[in-house]
This record gives sequence, C-alpha cells and structure tokens, in this order.
Amino acid sequence: SQQGEEDPQALSIQEGENATMNCSYKTSINNLQWYRQNSGRGLVHLILIRSNEREKHSGRLRVTLDTSKKSSSLLITASRAADTASYFCAPEGGSNYKLTFGKGTLLTVNP
Amino acid sequence: NAGVTQTPKFQVLKTGQSMTLQCAQDMNHNSMYWYRQDPGMGLRLIYYSASEGTTDKGEVPNGYNVSRLNKREFSLRLESAAPSQTSVYFCASSKSGLQETQYFGPGTRLLVL
Repeated sequence: SQQGEEDPQALSIQEGENATMNCSYKTSINNLQWYRQNSGRGLVHLILIRSNEREKHSGRLRVTLDTSKKSSSLLITASRAADTASYFCAPEGGSNYKLTFGKGTLLTVNP
Repeated sequence: NAGVTQTPKFQVLKTGQSMTLQCAQDMNHNSMYWYRQDPGMGLRLIYYSASEGTTDKGEVPNGYNVSRLNKREFSLRLESAAPSQTSVYFCASSKSGLQETQYFGPGTRLLVL
C-alpha cells in the first residue's frame, strides 16, 4: 500500500469561496479515495475515482486525477461553515486490502 | 441500519491493564479494519481482516491483538496497556477490500495513565 500526501496542511477561507486541496502519491494506483473527518468523529467517504477516470463530480465536490503527475485534487465549491473538517486522500495501488492515510488537510471555513 | 458501532466511546486505563475494544458492523461487509489516530496525524492501520477467519498485521501491530469473532464483529485487545497507546481508535469495514468504500465507526478515545 502507499500513502498519499495532502497539501496544504491547513487552509482557511471565507464562506462562499472555493477550496482546493491536493494529494500526491508515489506509485501507480487502481483508484484513489477522498475522505472527510469532522472534529472528534470517524472518517466519512466522499468520493472514489478510478485510475481510468480524469474527473468526477458529486454535488459541490469535484475531484480530478492526473496519473501522469501522480496527483489528485479535491475542489469544494461555494464552501459552507459545515465543510470545516480534515480531508484525507487514500490512494490504492496494490492487491492487498489496506489503505494508508496521510496527515490530511485541515480546512476551516469562516462564516 | 446502525453501520459501524464501537464500544466503549471513552476509556481510561492504568499502565499494564488490559482491555478489549469492540466493533460491529451490520452491512454484511467482508473486510474490517482497526486504525489508530494520534494528534496531527493521519490514521495508521493496526490490523485488518480481509474476510471472516483471517487477520493480518498492518503498519503498527505491536502491543495489540485482534479477533474476528464472526462476520459482524472484530475486536482489538490491548494485553498490557502503555501510555504510548493513548490514542483514538477507529474501526472500519468495507464490502470487500480496497475497491470499495470504507465505513468508519465513531471512534474510541483511550487514555493510558
């Protein structure tokens, strides 16, 4: 398994602005998942993008994947205070059953 | 449909004491996982069970044991707790391995004095 590295480590924006966070990884993948964690809670799955996909949307979320650059980005449009959370990417590239999470991006959306 | 449940929510132990963290899922998932999360860190995998009857070590297995009691339940045991095991523990499950979403429980906060 391999670990994704999220960037930036922390991001602070105003409500209504867009938030972009990035994930880089080292080896080839089958898919990449993004998760959200609200303070003191468990992780919640947001979106899974497969290696043959370049972009995927879910509501206000847009995920892109560039396998040539080994990177992914998560865009949250028209952010809300409720989007305040840590966001983790989890690339999966092996035939095992393990996901490895990075340290995440802490997003703060100010009202 | 409760998803993934964990008990207890919070526990304080003294060094050397033992305890078992319980996890259950009602989604008929094959795979289950135990993670720990320390301040400012991502989740680190302790043990996982790809399917009923199998368990494997993750990234940080030392000091822990697990039991996949049946398809629904996956417990994590600390035989002799140490202060370094103070952490938040999350259980997760997935339908079958990595091609599927992992569903997480609410976590157990453990403090070892």
